[in-house]
Amino acid sequence: EDKVVQSPLSLVVHEGDTVTLNCSYEVTNFRSLLWYKQEKKAPTFLFMLTSSGIEKKSGRLSSILDKKELFSILNITATQTGDSAIYLCAVSSSLGYGGSQGNLIFGKGTKLSVKP
Amino acid sequence: DTGVSQDPRHKITKRGQNVTFRCDPISEHNRLYWYRQTLGQGPEFLTYFQNEAQLEKSRLLSDRFSAERPKGSFSTLEIQRTEQGDSAMYLCASSSRWEDTQYFGPGTRLTVL
Repeated sequence: EDKVVQSPLSLVVHEGDTVTLNCSYEVTNFRSLLWYKQEKKAPTFLFMLTSSGIEKKSGRLSSILDKKELFSILNITATQTGDSAIYLCAVSSSLGYGGSQGNLIFGKGTKLSVKP
Repeated sequence: DTGVSQDPRHKITKRGQNVTFRCDPISEHNRLYWYRQTLGQGPEFLTYFQNEAQLEKSRLLSDRFSAERPKGSFSTLEIQRTEQGDSAMYLCASSSRWEDTQYFGPGTRLTVL
């Protein structure tokens, strides 16, 4: 059965700290891995990763994928209280002809709390 | 605003009642998805449409649940004879056919008393 496992499930840090969130997966016909941020409402898209070793970066957030070891990390540097949220990792799989399977398989999320 | 919209945002109902939720996707997206999220869990896939065709349904979608997308635009999700276990956030998302990134609406929070 396809699954996505995130760790840690919760994390408390102080402003200015750097955090690393982990996501491992077991999915048939892997296509892409996505990171979302959820703040008491709908998940908002952060990154999509399809190739190993290529870092995606947006401001203080960055992410990388390792398709050999089947995991991804999300790094947040110089954390701020506004980074407090649940970070969700999701994986997409492909159909035989390369099209998208459709549904995303989500992990349980990592709840990040940033203290002032 | 051209994002995904959902209505209502909150719904409180009594056990045994029927409820219906609506989702309006981003206008150029032909794929529409429904997920359910409970406390401490990530979203769980329920069903998705490509245009008006319902292409996949999760085994989570019992026979009390039905979804439609009659004209390939907005979609409705109906739950009949609601149970307390149906209490959750129901999320709708949309994407284009060849794009993996799904964009989520604000969700409908259902509470079944």
